[in-house]
Amino acid sequence: DTEVTQTPKHLVMGMTNKKSLKCEQHMGHRAMYWYKQKAKKPPELMFVYSYEKLSINESVPSRFSPECPNSSLLNLHLHALQPEDSALYLCASAWVGLGEKLFFGSGTQLSVL
Amino acid sequence: QQQVKQSPQSLIVQKGGIPIINCAYENTAFDYFPWYQQFPGKGPALLIAIRPDVSEKKEGRFTISFNKSAKQFSLHIMDSQPGDSATYFCAASSGGNTPLVFGKGTRLSVIA
Repeated sequence: DTEVTQTPKHLVMGMTNKKSLKCEQHMGHRAMYWYKQKAKKPPELMFVYSYEKLSINESVPSRFSPECPNSSLLNLHLHALQPEDSALYLCASAWVGLGEKLFFGSGTQLSVL
Repeated sequence: QQQVKQSPQSLIVQKGGIPIINCAYENTAFDYFPWYQQFPGKGPALLIAIRPDVSEKKEGRFTISFNKSAKQFSLHIMDSQPGDSATYFCAASSGGNTPLVFGKGTRLSVIA
């Protein structure tokens, strides 16, 4: 299994809603990532987990809250988002120490109304 | 210092042509240079990658050329097909757990 699975594929939420994005991989990777991608732009790193511990937080607003419950799962909890947060949210995984070889999921297309 | 500059922003070629996408970097600590391919509605996928100890790497129809002294690398797609139409991102890394630095992307259209 070489897939990173993300759910849901699409999400529409209001600015007062609370929602969560989910990511799962069964490749044994112990490094997991959240990226944000705006249309026609490269992915922007948000968070990195290594061995289930948060290792990088790229100064992301607190309305985004990551969680890594176990080595296969990664969540991104969303609360009080703004319309400018609308984007494709990508999860990725890699072997620890090989963060250059990322396996990306297909993403969650998020629209904030 | 951390940037990777990618050009062109967009590219249209005829089927069978050889599109070339170029990237340049400044940080001499970079030692891994991957290319990612992204189709609409999908996440990026690793296409091919090179390390600075070689000047060229081929995988199928995809070739990376690397010029260490000029701090430049490029992607060539031989015998391009409409199915190659996608956005291509170059990237660079200084290894280990250091996050990738992505170029801004090139939208390639291969027309029949």
